[in-house]
Amino acid sequence: EAAVTQSPRNKVAVTGGKVTLSCNQTNNHNNMYWYRQDTGHGLRLIHYSYGAGSTEKGDIPDGYKASRPSQENFSLILELATPSQTSVYFCASGVTGASAETLYFGSGTRLTVL
Amino acid sequence: QEKVQQSPESLIVPEGAMSSLNCTFSNSASQSIWWYQQHPGKGPEALISIFSNGNKKEGRLTVYLNRASLHVSLHIRDSQPSDSAVYLCAVSPGGGNYKPTFGKGTSLVVHP
Repeated sequence: EAAVTQSPRNKVAVTGGKVTLSCNQTNNHNNMYWYRQDTGHGLRLIHYSYGAGSTEKGDIPDGYKASRPSQENFSLILELATPSQTSVYFCASGVTGASAETLYFGSGTRLTVL
Repeated sequence: QEKVQQSPESLIVPEGAMSSLNCTFSNSASQSIWWYQQHPGKGPEALISIFSNGNKKEGRLTVYLNRASLHVSLHIRDSQPSDSAVYLCAVSPGGGNYKPTFGKGTSLVVHP
């Protein structure tokens, strides 16, 4: 079964600090995504990747960087964390079928920036 | 950018009833629509997808897609308390770009 693991599960950071959220998938999927989920906004795409070495900006990339050093790992980096980045972050990997892509999500990282 | 809207925001039904959830999207050329289920504290899980006009049935789930009206609906027959969750509609563009856009979700509560 497809497996996506996120770490840490919970994180408290200080304003201005650097935060790295990690994601590992054992599915050998080419595509990986980072979303944040906030009440009233649903899931919003931050960055995504089509394979090792590639990253693309999503719909809300400001304040975030991404890194895809290998097929399995995709990190989200907050260089200077702000309270507005307090949210639940989800990583997903995707496999493309005949007509569409199925996403497999991790369990999420709850980030609080004080 | 694709716009996806879901209604209602919340839905409460008794056990055994039919639950009906709606989703509208903005781009008629969108290739596929997925429904995801999300329980509290968990990541979304893929439930059912549809690509062509018409309907698709899997177990207690039925999905209807009408591209002309940019509308898709999910119906859960014989709703169970374990179906209580947030349901997310996700729409993907075509042309090899599968980056999906999600709606804000419908919170379903099935009470015994």
